[in-house]
Amino acid sequence: KAGVTQTPRYLIKTRGQQVTLSCSPISGHRSVSWYQQTPGQGLQFLFEYFSETQRNKGNFPGRFSGRQFSNSRSEMNVSTLELGDSALYLCASSLEGYSTEAFFGQGTRLTVV
Amino acid sequence: GNSVTQMEGPVTLSEEAFLTINCTYTATGYPSLFWYVQYPGEGLQLLLKATKADDKGSNKGFEATYRKETTSFHLEKGSVQVSDSAVYFCALSFTSGTYKYIFGTGTRLKVLA
Repeated sequence: KAGVTQTPRYLIKTRGQQVTLSCSPISGHRSVSWYQQTPGQGLQFLFEYFSETQRNKGNFPGRFSGRQFSNSRSEMNVSTLELGDSALYLCASSLEGYSTEAFFGQGTRLTVV
Repeated sequence: GNSVTQMEGPVTLSEEAFLTINCTYTATGYPSLFWYVQYPGEGLQLLLKATKADDKGSNKGFEATYRKETTSFHLEKGSVQVSDSAVYFCALSFTSGTYKYIFGTGTRLKVLA
């Protein structure tokens, strides 16, 4: 069974640009969550999608957005990049999204210069 | 609000030493509790979980017991190996409503041969 796949693994962007990250969940999983991981703030919840609907959103500015497609694949977009957006972005998939095991991808390392 | 507090790291131990990583939580309601592990360059992997009070999760020699009276979920292992060197995250999630995991800040463990 294939795991959670995140692409790309590494990205370097310039301030002010936008970026799109992709996540393919485990087959059959309908919930996809996104987390931002930084040394200073740890793991912070961005948003969670279930069957193409955003069910919950963390405390991030509107520059951070996401969506989920009918095949459960998800994308997140960050517009007008800032230096502080440099982080490891982790995607997690699970069957239902709560109290069940979340399977994480290896993450996308975004560096904003 | 809901939160997870972990002991500060790094924790440095010699091989075969006993490990305890403390985790306490604050939650309204009855969360499920998890320990995740992150090896260098990887995403998070579920180590163990417990879904109700007094449950004990165990895996690969690691154990943690859900203590409702002390709101704790401390991770223990009787004899650590060099291969256990990683960052360990305590987390909680609910059966409904919030659809997200709340993580502690992580504790880095370094095991010396």
